Amino acid sequence: DTEVTQTPKHLVMGMTNKKSLKCEQHMGHRAMYWYKQKAKKPPELMFVYSYEKLSINESVPSRFSPECPNSSLLNLHLHALQPEDSALYLCASSQEAGLHQPQHFGDGTRLSIL
Amino acid sequence: KQEVTQIPAALSVPEGENLVLNCSFTDSAIYNLQWFRQDPGKGLTSLLLIQSSQREQTSGRLNASLDKSSGRSTLYIAASQPGDSATYLCAAPIGAGGTSYGKLTFGQGTILTVHP
Repeated sequence: DTEVTQTPKHLVMGMTNKKSLKCEQHMGHRAMYWYKQKAKKPPELMFVYSYEKLSINESVPSRFSPECPNSSLLNLHLHALQPEDSALYLCASSQEAGLHQPQHFGDGTRLSIL
Repeated sequence: KQEVTQIPAALSVPEGENLVLNCSFTDSAIYNLQWFRQDPGKGLTSLLLIQSSQREQTSGRLNASLDKSSGRSTLYIAASQPGDSATYLCAAPIGAGGTSYGKLTFGQGTILTVHP
């Protein structure tokens, strides 16, 4: 069982749809992350939030919009996605966004764009 | 720039065998190295994290070592079981100094199959 919970587990959407991915942790962690993982590849960092503020945006297209409403929640709003955006989207958290902190991952949302 | 490499890309062993997975990194000024396991279609499960001041970490049948001078980490799995079958990833923080904000560089992973 993972302490980082992601919903939904699977999502199929058209290119004109708007949807959101959700991530929740109750470990008191102050850093949260979004990763994108394509098949047979390692995860690629998209965004980092530290103390509810966006710290890193790895040049992610604006059709992905992150939001951190509070220290336990992290959302990823999706709009006008492309077929190449189909992937496993992973959320992670750590005590703080520092060098010595292990990251804990959720089980991900499998996203398919039609 | 930190680069992380894992060898082999895939490994198939019979049940009960002891095995070693390798992870190499280019920047020896490493703060820590984390080993993960990923089952198909699932997220990453953290197995072990070794700080730069440590040489080994152990958890059950798993033992991870870190040799900064040679730029290598190994994950040793004792008495392998079919349930150990998964992809194993190692990851290191990007940037030794300053604030990396948790950015990790991942290796490409080793796909392990343990057959009965």
